[in-house]
Amino acid sequence: GAVVSQHPSWVICKSGTSVKIECRSLDFQATTMFWYRQFPKQSLMLMATSNEGSKATYEQGVEKDKFLINHASLTLSTLTVTSAHPEDSSFYICSARDPTSGRMEDEQFFGPGTRLTVL
Amino acid sequence: LAKTTQPISMDSYEGQEVNITCSHNNIATNDYITWYQQFPSQGPRFIIQGYKTKVTNEVASLFIPADRKSSTLSLPRVSLSDTAVYYCLVGVPSNTGTASKLTFGTGTRLQVTL
Repeated sequence: GAVVSQHPSWVICKSGTSVKIECRSLDFQATTMFWYRQFPKQSLMLMATSNEGSKATYEQGVEKDKFLINHASLTLSTLTVTSAHPEDSSFYICSARDPTSGRMEDEQFFGPGTRLTVL
Repeated sequence: LAKTTQPISMDSYEGQEVNITCSHNNIATNDYITWYQQFPSQGPRFIIQGYKTKVTNEVASLFIPADRKSSTLSLPRVSLSDTAVYYCLVGVPSNTGTASKLTFGTGTRLQVTL
């Protein structure tokens, strides 16, 4: 099946710095990718929809100026957490769909996640 | 988007069959039901999807009654490695090149012990 990777798998940064997380579809081209955030013991919360070649669509309550999303190619979307603070510490997960597959199993592939810790 | 309700947690012994029920009273005509599994510090993984009646694959079965207001994920003979959170999602699968937005509910935390 299709594979979605994320880099880095974990990152620790100081408060006030910016952190970039990459999401790549390794063997398919994804016109749309999604970014989720998950706090400990909680469910995944959709942050934004990343569209290749256009601006991302953010969910209500998600600050677009704080969480910058760039989808510059069909295989790469990046999430930059700007001026990170301890409350931004979370597990960030991206997902994408292989548009060439007609299988329901390929509805959406999730990356392995990136754990961000802001000190 | 139809809201889903699942038990917060379930416990099982290894080797038993586990059934997790999800309520989705407001499911729309075009909605499908999809279940995902998530291990700690990993992204969710697709388990099974169905529209009505019964669907079975190599890892699970999905039972959907005629009114489609609920569904039951059945895991036959669970092992310790099935300990995870299981999410029930309801929505319209994408039949185009664009993925559909998924809304995750609270999920069911399954703990399997010896």
